[in-house]
Order: sequence, then structure tokens, then C-alpha cells
Amino acid sequence: DGGITQSPKYLFRKEGQNVTLSCEQNLNHDAMYWYRQDPGQGLRLIYYSQIVNDFQKGDIAEGYSVSREKKESFPLTVTSAQKNPTAFYLCASSIPGREGYEQYFGPGTRLTVT
Amino acid sequence: QKEVEQNSGPLSVPEGAIASLNCTYSDRGSQSFFWYRQYSGKSPELIMSIYSNGDKEDGRFTAQLNKASQYVSLLIRDSQPSDSATYLCAVTIGGAQKLVFGQGTRLTINP
Repeated sequence: DGGITQSPKYLFRKEGQNVTLSCEQNLNHDAMYWYRQDPGQGLRLIYYSQIVNDFQKGDIAEGYSVSREKKESFPLTVTSAQKNPTAFYLCASSIPGREGYEQYFGPGTRLTVT
Repeated sequence: QKEVEQNSGPLSVPEGAIASLNCTYSDRGSQSFFWYRQYSGKSPELIMSIYSNGDKEDGRFTAQLNKASQYVSLLIRDSQPSDSATYLCAVTIGGAQKLVFGQGTRLTINP
């Protein structure tokens, strides 16, 4: 089955701890993205990567870090510097189509920091 | 002004009627427009993409794009209770691979 997997589905951490969220895709997509969604809000872009070993900051990158060592994997680390880390984190990937880039999402990881 | 704006709703529509969802965007250079459906607690699911002015139909869904007015809409015909969800409008702004999302419109279909 082709798709995007994120693990774990739910994650609980104490304040001050770093935590890494996993995102893997077997769709052979070049580009991958991390978004954050807060209750009742749209999605905000944290980081994105268009090719292996390269990534760019999105609109809210402060307190987050990423790596892209393999095409299939784009892990996100939420550091202790992120002031409000509790949120729904969504990973997406895309590939150029005939007319544009359609992004497809994984199931998400719900992070709670107390 | 927000880059992508949607009425947050809730929008309530009787079963079998047409649901109309609207979205405006700020960047005249935007080229790609998407509608995602998000059920409560789930991740967004792509339901429509549109790139040219006019209408694009896919089953009960029709996307409409008017670049001059910077306006994109989604019509859902013969609305079903299973269409009850939040609908997110997304637009490429500042680059073909970056999407900006509206806050979403919560739609409820009443049996």
C-alpha cells in the first residue's frame, strides 16, 4: 500500500523535553512538508523540503528542526524552545502533476505537552 | 488582510440541497487552488484541485475559480450527512510548492 505514515498517533511529553515526530512516505514523492493545526484553525507551514538534504523554513519554524537524509523520511523535532507545542501535527508530500503540485497528508500526530 | 480567507461558519444545509463554500485570496499571482475535506479528529483529504478560470466538476463536487475577483468556491450538490466536515481552501502563494490554508468552513448537513 502506498501512503504516508506518521507515528505515533498520540504523544505526551513533559515541558522542557525535545520530541521527534516521524513521517515516512513510499509514494516516491520529492517534496515533503510539516504543518501544525491548532483547534478551529487552518494549517500553518513549519518546514518543507523539496529534495533530499535540503529544507526551508515555513511561516512558524521557530522552536522546530527537521532533517531530510532520505527521500522517504522527514522527521520533525519539537524542541523545548517551542513555546506552545501542544497541537495536531500533519506531514504531507507532493509530486508535480500535469498542472500543479497536489499535497497529500498523513494521518497526523497529536502532541500534548504538560 | 489574511492571505486566504474563508467564512468559519458553521454553515448548515438541509440534506439534498446544494452547499456553497467560498474562499478569497490575496495574491494575484496564485496559480493553484485546492479544496480539502477534514473530518473531526482526522487529517485533511484532497477533494478538488483547480488551476484555470471557470468550473471543474467531479461527481457531486464543482470547484469554481475566478482569478480576476480572486475568488474560489466549492459547490456540493445533493448534500449528504456524510458531507458534514470542515472544508479547507488552500492556495499556492509565493511558490508553486507552498500552500497557504484558510481557517476552514465547518459544514453541517441536516437530515
